[in-house]
Amino acid sequence: DTAVSQTPKYLVTQMGNDKSIKCEQNLGHDTMYWYKQDSKKFLKIMFSYNNKELIINETVPNRFSPKSPDKAHLNLHINSLELGDSAVYFCASSPGTGGALGGYTFGSGTRLTVV
Amino acid sequence: QQQVKQSPQSLIVQKGGISIINCAYENTAFDYFPWYQQFPGKGPALLIAIRPDVSEKKEGRFTISFNKSAKQFSLHIMDSQPGDSATYFCAARGGNQFYFGTGTSLTVIP
Repeated sequence: DTAVSQTPKYLVTQMGNDKSIKCEQNLGHDTMYWYKQDSKKFLKIMFSYNNKELIINETVPNRFSPKSPDKAHLNLHINSLELGDSAVYFCASSPGTGGALGGYTFGSGTRLTVV
Repeated sequence: QQQVKQSPQSLIVQKGGISIINCAYENTAFDYFPWYQQFPGKGPALLIAIRPDVSEKKEGRFTISFNKSAKQFSLHIMDSQPGDSATYFCAARGGNQFYFGTGTSLTVIP
């Protein structure tokens, strides 16, 4: 029944490892996003995909690579994890091409801790 | 550069009081202004939103006041309750994305 679901909810890993976070939405939305929320709760957009096409690619290290196999899924792969990557990562979706009225529907987040 | 400035960073209010959170923006192309509520361990959830052709929107105890000329908007929570304790984000739509404020942590004391 969950609208936007992310897995895993918690991820603890060592520096240098590669990890993936998965996101799925069952709302029929066309656009999906990845946001990073730091320890001060600041929400920063990382990527946006519309119907599997990348439309927003903010300045993030190229160690972060989004992959959208279809419009209901947007996964985030992170290579060579660093301590500074520790944060909560939120997936979100919205209807239309992004910025649609009604705003975003967020997942419940993935807390990534790099040790 | 922070597109939407939000204040205060934290707010403590007595139960039954009024909570007020303010946001300001510079980009006059912004055309839609939602507020999100985030509880610990959860993602932000849309609370209430306003378009710039309206000066006020009320939904239950939550009201958005919008001042287009000043490029400011605020969230008022009337009769604040302990269950309202959460982090609140304002946002503004520009093009194909939303720009978020830095968040306000609200604590309502019983």
